[in-house]
Amino acid sequence: NAGVTQTPKFRVLKTGQSMTLLCAQDMNHEYMYWYRQDPGMGLRLIHYSVGEGTTAKGEVPDGYNVSRLKKQNFLLGLESAAPSQTSVYFCATRQGGYGYTFGSGTRLTVV
Amino acid sequence: GENVEQHPSTLSVQEGDSAVIKCTYSDSASNYFPWYKQELGKRPQLIIDIRSNVGEKKDQRIAVTLNKTAKHFSLHITETQPEDSAVYFCAAIRTYKYIFGTGTRLKVLA
Repeated sequence: NAGVTQTPKFRVLKTGQSMTLLCAQDMNHEYMYWYRQDPGMGLRLIHYSVGEGTTAKGEVPDGYNVSRLKKQNFLLGLESAAPSQTSVYFCATRQGGYGYTFGSGTRLTVV
Repeated sequence: GENVEQHPSTLSVQEGDSAVIKCTYSDSASNYFPWYKQELGKRPQLIIDIRSNVGEKKDQRIAVTLNKTAKHFSLHITETQPEDSAVYFCAAIRTYKYIFGTGTRLKVLA
């Protein structure tokens, strides 16, 4: 079992480019989340999903889109990257009342 | 919306001493309070959690206490060791999503 797998692990984008981050889980968890982590600001929720085909906005959704076409995958898209989106992105999954399982993170730099 | 405040932002203790990190939350309907430890360059890992119907929970050198009336909860680490050095995050959850505190950087000095 791989748990929660994020791809890619590192990426450098130019301003205005687009990209998609993939989160894949093999634990059959219902809930999936995308967070961004910036120094001194902790983990901030971008978007989340409570099941296949559902998505919802978190604290900082602007500039991002998501899709959950399959239960095991949660995609985070940046349509036109900006330097303010330089961050470490974490995917997390959860089932019922239990704690999150985090992916290993994606370090994104926008230049 | 829900807000979680965490203090202190940095904490230095001598090896063997105790460390306490405190969090307050705003949504009285929050019912689950986990604590995560994040080592440099790694993903956050759940270290202990507590539900709203419990006042205290212990796991070896780590304990968490919850005061629902005051809406605050605390992480206690006793007999600290160098490997306890990390960033610690608290969180509160009511329905589907956690709101995290901003983190505490704990340094254990040998």
